[in-house]
Amino acid sequence: RKEVEQDPGPFNVPEGATVAFNCTYSNSASQSFFWYRQDCRKEPKLLMSVYSSGNEDGRFTAQLNRASQYISLLIRDSKLSDSATYLCVVNRGNYGQNFVFGPGTRLSVLP
Amino acid sequence: DTGVSQDPRHKITKRGQNVTFRCDPISEHNRLYWYRQTLGQGPEFLTYFQNEAQLEKSRLLSDRFSAERPKGSFSTLEIQRTEQGDSAMYLCASSLLGLDEQYFGPGTRLTVT
Repeated sequence: RKEVEQDPGPFNVPEGATVAFNCTYSNSASQSFFWYRQDCRKEPKLLMSVYSSGNEDGRFTAQLNRASQYISLLIRDSKLSDSATYLCVVNRGNYGQNFVFGPGTRLSVLP
Repeated sequence: DTGVSQDPRHKITKRGQNVTFRCDPISEHNRLYWYRQTLGQGPEFLTYFQNEAQLEKSRLLSDRFSAERPKGSFSTLEIQRTEQGDSAMYLCASSLLGLDEQYFGPGTRLTVT
């Protein structure tokens, strides 16, 4: 079993749809959590950090459940420009800097 | 452009050859990371530097791989005796001490023939 697992995808949704991505992690000592976005043939870019209390940034909402070791990302009113691969990332480093990326879930928003 | 830069962007080499990649982080960033990414997978952590000290090293990093950051600025990743399984995108990222957000470079795509 991989340390960070994500929905296999791809997700094909129409513009304006709401889409949710799920992620689970196996290391209970993991310290911090993130969602990154990666466009085709580009480098990953931070979308948002994920806090225990949950956090929202515009159309994007992230949730963390430490007890279930589960992270989610919700995208509301999806845009064509949201088409990308979404990577769930967990930091479990001994010195606080050992990041484990999930395999990613690809999203295609269709007109 | 003041982002993370990597050189070369593409490298084709024959099996058994040595290759070296360079990463220049954002100038004030004291943390530097190397990752490897293959098609359809997320980046795999290889190693992490804080200034010139290599503080984390993945078990994935076999003895054919070595990384340095001699002056705490740019970093190099060397792969000795390359194998076809080394073909991948090698990504470098940097961040500021105390902040987790990593800024990635465009990567070096390695093809071992």
